[in-house]
Amino acid sequence: RKEVEQDPGPFNVPEGATVAFNCTYSNSASQSFFWYRQDCRKEPKLLMSVYSSGNEDGRFTAQLNRASQYISLLIRDSKLSDSATYLCVVNVGGKLIFGQGTELSVKP
Amino acid sequence: GAGVSQSPSNKVTEKGKDVELRCDPISGHTALYWYRQSLGQGLEFLIYFQGNSAPDKSGLPSDRFSAERTGGSVSTLTIQRTQQEDSAVYLCASSLDQGSTEAFFGQGTRLTVV
Repeated sequence: RKEVEQDPGPFNVPEGATVAFNCTYSNSASQSFFWYRQDCRKEPKLLMSVYSSGNEDGRFTAQLNRASQYISLLIRDSKLSDSATYLCVVNVGGKLIFGQGTELSVKP
Repeated sequence: GAGVSQSPSNKVTEKGKDVELRCDPISGHTALYWYRQSLGQGLEFLIYFQGNSAPDKSGLPSDRFSAERTGGSVSTLTIQRTQQEDSAVYLCASSLDQGSTEAFFGQGTRLTVV
């Protein structure tokens, strides 16, 4: 079993749609959690950290359920510019483990 | 610049040759990571350095792969006797501390073994 698993993609949605990505992790000792975004042929960049109480940044909402070892990302009112691969990232003893990523394509 | 710098940006090498990939992290960042990303795939963890601690080498795929970090700054990833399956983008990242803050990535080295 992979340490970090994500929904298979790709997700193809129209502009304005709400889309949710899920992620599970296997190591209960995981310490911190993130969502990164990777555009085609570019390096990953931090989208947002994920906190136990849940957190929101504009159209983006991240949730963490430690008991279920589950992380989610919700994107509301999708824009064309949201098209990218979204990577779930877990910190295990300082080591950042990335999920396979979920590709999102937002269409006009 | 102030970002993570990797060199070379592209490297084509013949099968069986050794290659060295370089990473210059952001000044003051104590944590440094190497990942490998094959086309259409996720990031595969290779190795992690934190300060003066022994590196976590658990992701290195074979003994042909090694990495060092001199003076807590610049890191070099060496691949000996390269194979075609080593072809990938090698990404380096650094962060202020061990994984609890944002990791900044370089633009990667695209390695092609022919």
